Amino acid sequence: AQSVTQLGSHVSVSEGALVLLRCNYSSSVPPYLFWYVQYPNQGLQLLLKYTTGATLVKGINGFEAEFKKSETSFHLTKPSAHMSDAAEYFCAASSGAGSYQLTFGKGTKLSVIP
Amino acid sequence: SQTIHQWPATLVQPVGSPLSLECTVEGTSNPNLYWYRQAAGRGLQLLFYSVGIGQISSEVPQNLSASRPQDRQFILSSKKLLLSDSGFYLCAWTSRGQLINYEQYFGPGTRLTVT
Repeated sequence: AQSVTQLGSHVSVSEGALVLLRCNYSSSVPPYLFWYVQYPNQGLQLLLKYTTGATLVKGINGFEAEFKKSETSFHLTKPSAHMSDAAEYFCAASSGAGSYQLTFGKGTKLSVIP
Repeated sequence: SQTIHQWPATLVQPVGSPLSLECTVEGTSNPNLYWYRQAAGRGLQLLFYSVGIGQISSEVPQNLSASRPQDRQFILSSKKLLLSDSGFYLCAWTSRGQLINYEQYFGPGTRLTVT
């Protein structure tokens, strides 16, 4: 079964600093991969997704992620953090052929320090 | 364009009372539908999913149930709430069309507090 691991339940960065949120998946078959963002008391919003093709994926709000098959990773980055980036971020992977479920990581709460 | 609605937005209910949360999707047909719960600091827990009217799969045994009376309507219910049912409930949908990419679209959520 697929599993998704997000390293660090809480990450703090200074405004203007690099944001790096880590995500690793477990399956040997590359899944579809997603990053979602959740602001307090709101639903999840898709930031970006990897399905096939280019391994560097650009998303909304200046975020990007790189799919690395050899490392089974899909880390999320943003060159310069903004106060509005403070939120919880979830990495997710498709669960496998024939399943319409996503496997979610436990989430990483990003704090941005002024 | 597609839209997903959830109501109510917030709910405070006493222990032992019944529950009904509703989710509706507009702008798509025959979606897969999902109920998730977020308890404080515990990530997303998949509760139920449905691939069609009357077809419900339960992921976690509990005192909650789900129903899908119409193609784009998904209801989460309980006959008697427990304190542990408190949390943020999210409904989501995904397309079952030919160009499936498994992306799920989430509703705004319902904050349930059981007192």
